[in-house]
Amino acid sequence: AQKITQTQPGMFVQEKEAVTLDCTYDTSDPSYGLFWYKQPSSGEMIFLIYQGSYDQQNATEGRYSLNFQKARKSANLVISASQLGDSAMYFCAMREGTSYGKLTFGQGTILTVHP
Amino acid sequence: GAVVSQHPSRVICKSGTSVKIECRSLDFQATTMFWYRQFPKQSLMLMATSNEGSKATYEQGVEKDKFLINHASLTLSTLTVTSAHPEDSSFYICSASGAVGTGGRANYGYTFGSGTRLTVV
Repeated sequence: AQKITQTQPGMFVQEKEAVTLDCTYDTSDPSYGLFWYKQPSSGEMIFLIYQGSYDQQNATEGRYSLNFQKARKSANLVISASQLGDSAMYFCAMREGTSYGKLTFGQGTILTVHP
Repeated sequence: GAVVSQHPSRVICKSGTSVKIECRSLDFQATTMFWYRQFPKQSLMLMATSNEGSKATYEQGVEKDKFLINHASLTLSTLTVTSAHPEDSSFYICSASGAVGTGGRANYGYTFGSGTRLTVV
């Protein structure tokens, strides 16, 4: 079974509008961490935002926010005021447990921002 | 802080030859290194996990004799693709995690290299 699921292969958004990228996860471990990364065409993995399973507040980092719904096991990324430079592949990832073990990645979503 | 330098960024090699990819943590001690492989427009798939001074742990289906991983120091891990074939052509990327107090817990514990595009002809 997929531990991390991103159901949107591609998303389009108009410049300056907000967009939500979906991510659901599956784990029985009460302690876990959820990550979002941006991967432009150059291939580098750019860390965007992190949410811990015990965090009470939704994480925010500038234009990025994470809509964490624990009961639904979802961790959607919201990008506000989209910019042309936001066009890239976006990955949701999960770390299970408290130690710094492997990350499991979702399938990714290609975001295209139109002018 | 927390930079991982990965080299080469691109490499083209002939079928049957070996290629070595290096990942160096420049400003922290990388106690654990994760090696991923990524095909175009697909996800990152973990190949192996290595801890400094120990043998790497390979994921199911990854040939350990083909993908040799060495993590002999806290600042250097290498992935050697032996007897490369065209089907080994892919994007390889490392991710390092370090000890508390050494700067290796930046980005909530994972610092990625910039990746290596391997083409085997």
